[in-house]
Amino acid sequence: QKEVEQNSGPLSVPEGAIASLNCTYSDRGSQSFFWYRQYSGKSPELIMFIYSNGDKEDGRFTAQLNKASQYVSLLIRDSQPSDSATYLCAVPGQGGKLIFGQGTELSVKP
Amino acid sequence: DTGVSQDPRHKITKRGQNVTFRCDPISEHNRLYWYRQTLGQGPEFLTYFQNEAQLEKSRLLSDRFSAERPKGSFSTLEIQRTEQGDSAMYLCASILSRDSNEQFFGPGTRLTVL
Repeated sequence: QKEVEQNSGPLSVPEGAIASLNCTYSDRGSQSFFWYRQYSGKSPELIMFIYSNGDKEDGRFTAQLNKASQYVSLLIRDSQPSDSATYLCAVPGQGGKLIFGQGTELSVKP
Repeated sequence: DTGVSQDPRHKITKRGQNVTFRCDPISEHNRLYWYRQTLGQGPEFLTYFQNEAQLEKSRLLSDRFSAERPKGSFSTLEIQRTEQGDSAMYLCASILSRDSNEQFFGPGTRLTVL
């Protein structure tokens, strides 16, 4: 059974700083990785996905993969108060279902 | 708005009652997933459909839970004889199966069992 682990936080960073969120996964054969953002009381929305062949940058967000250590990180540059949310890491399982970590709560202080 | 809708958005029920939730996926999406999320946890997979066929059910899905997707369009999730432990957010997501990059989540149904 695949597992995904995240530090539940909360992680607090000042506005404008870099927020670094990490996720470890158990299945060395995992090929793709997803980062979802979830605001309180709302459903998850996809912000980044990467494949095992490389890192990805999209605006202020960068997803990095360390296959040797089996962890994925999400960096948020120039953090804004609107980035305050829970960030969920997920890997796909059989049939495309998503296996989520417990999420890391991020708080960006003005 | 992702285009996936769920109804109702909130449901409060008494223990022992039956409840049914509905999910309307994006029309061309042929895969539909149900997840359950409790406070402080990530969503947990419950079941999924490819068109009208239910292809997998999680061990989390006890006999009190049943899901259907008639005609491969909307889906319903029914919980019989609800228990307080069923209180959670029930999320539905859909995807066009040849595009595996993004599952589109509905707004969820929050169930409270008193």
